[in-house]
Amino acid sequence: GQNIDQPTEMTATEGAIVQINCTYQTSGFNGLFWYQQHAGEAPTFLSYNVLDGLEEKGRFSSFLSRSKGYSYLLLKELQMKDSASYLCAVSLRSNDYKLSFGAGTTVTVRA
Amino acid sequence: DADVTQTPRNRITKTGKRIMLECSQTKGHDRMYWYRQDPGLGLQLIYYSFDVKDINKGEISDGYSVSRQAQAKFSLSLESAIPNQTALYFCATSDGTSGRLNEQFFGPGTRLTVL
Repeated sequence: GQNIDQPTEMTATEGAIVQINCTYQTSGFNGLFWYQQHAGEAPTFLSYNVLDGLEEKGRFSSFLSRSKGYSYLLLKELQMKDSASYLCAVSLRSNDYKLSFGAGTTVTVRA
Repeated sequence: DADVTQTPRNRITKTGKRIMLECSQTKGHDRMYWYRQDPGLGLQLIYYSFDVKDINKGEISDGYSVSRQAQAKFSLSLESAIPNQTALYFCATSDGTSGRLNEQFFGPGTRLTVL
């Protein structure tokens, strides 16, 4: 399978910035997604990257380097409601364009 | 109205029972997926289907079967439930094979407990 690595847990203070890294194998890369998942709920789409660079959407940004097989999700001005799991998912041509998911990074925001 | 729905939302059953989880979608997508999620293990693909006549095993298909009754419906069955199938199950759909069209849309999940 596709090895997608991301940290298990991160903790940050309300108002701070947190960066969640994701590394993956590069062969057949066709795009990378970030999802947010609150406990017991469905994953919901946050961002999509297919070209190198930074995609910004409000307080959330996602970066991609295809040559390095690396992405990060940047959460700025953290709010309590941002406490959730963040899933990195990669689409590969060799995998029929299905998404392979990382195990997720649980972010805890403290007051 | 939700685009991807799952029934039931919660189910408690006993070891050895046969159960079916159902998924329906109104997004008009051809591709549908069943995942299970266990704490700390992320999403594991059980089965997937790229159209009505297409069924494929995922990473962890043993003990499960599926049926794609129509473009909009994809059911997951546990023929003889066992306790280690206790998990959160998600159905998902996607539209196509390139770029952003690979985005998957998830149902609300079914929490299954096997006693």
